[in-house]
Amino acid sequence: DADVTQTPRNRITKTGKRIMLECSQTKGHDRMYWYRQDPGLGLRLIYYSFDVKDINKGEISDGYSVSRQAQAKFSLSLESAIPNQTALYFCATSDPKQGNYGYTFGSGTRLTVV
Amino acid sequence: GIQVEQSPPDLILQEGANSTLRCNFSDSVNNLQWFHQNPWGQLINLFYIPSGTKQNGRLSATTVATERYSLLYISSSQTTDSGVYFCAGSENQGGKLIFGQGTELSVKP
Repeated sequence: DADVTQTPRNRITKTGKRIMLECSQTKGHDRMYWYRQDPGLGLRLIYYSFDVKDINKGEISDGYSVSRQAQAKFSLSLESAIPNQTALYFCATSDPKQGNYGYTFGSGTRLTVV
Repeated sequence: GIQVEQSPPDLILQEGANSTLRCNFSDSVNNLQWFHQNPWGQLINLFYIPSGTKQNGRLSATTVATERYSLLYISSSQTTDSGVYFCAGSENQGGKLIFGQGTELSVKP
């Protein structure tokens, strides 16, 4: 099994629908992140969480919300999806306790809003 | 905010050739990392390299933090090296990563 698992892998949804993207990890990392990737724009941070009780907005949080249900689970919700939220979404984890700040990414969720 | 800039934006190589990708970053960037995104979209962490040099097989990376740049070397390139290479850094120790725009590499057989 992958260290960081994202579900679903692909999703097509209609404008105005609520949708949740899920992320779970088996690495035991405290820190989790949601990024969005658009062609030509690299990856941009949506939300991040440094532990279960900590939620922080990233650079493009408008239109999104998150929930950190447990150390291993971090979900991203689009309350009312719109077409410009069509993108590739990545979850990532990190754990600096060992002095290594390297990130591990999930395989991504390709979301299309029609 | 912090700045992370990569060059070149794209690169085409013949299989077997060597290449160097560059990442320039602003003063306050820490925790420099290199990632490879394969043609299927998967992001793989290649190096966590805040300073110094590391090697992993045909890939190596060097970060000179005092001069605010990092280099990724690919030797004897293979078609499986194709994809987009990103560098990323954070503004403070352990902070959230900010990504460069990437270098798209295509290795031709």
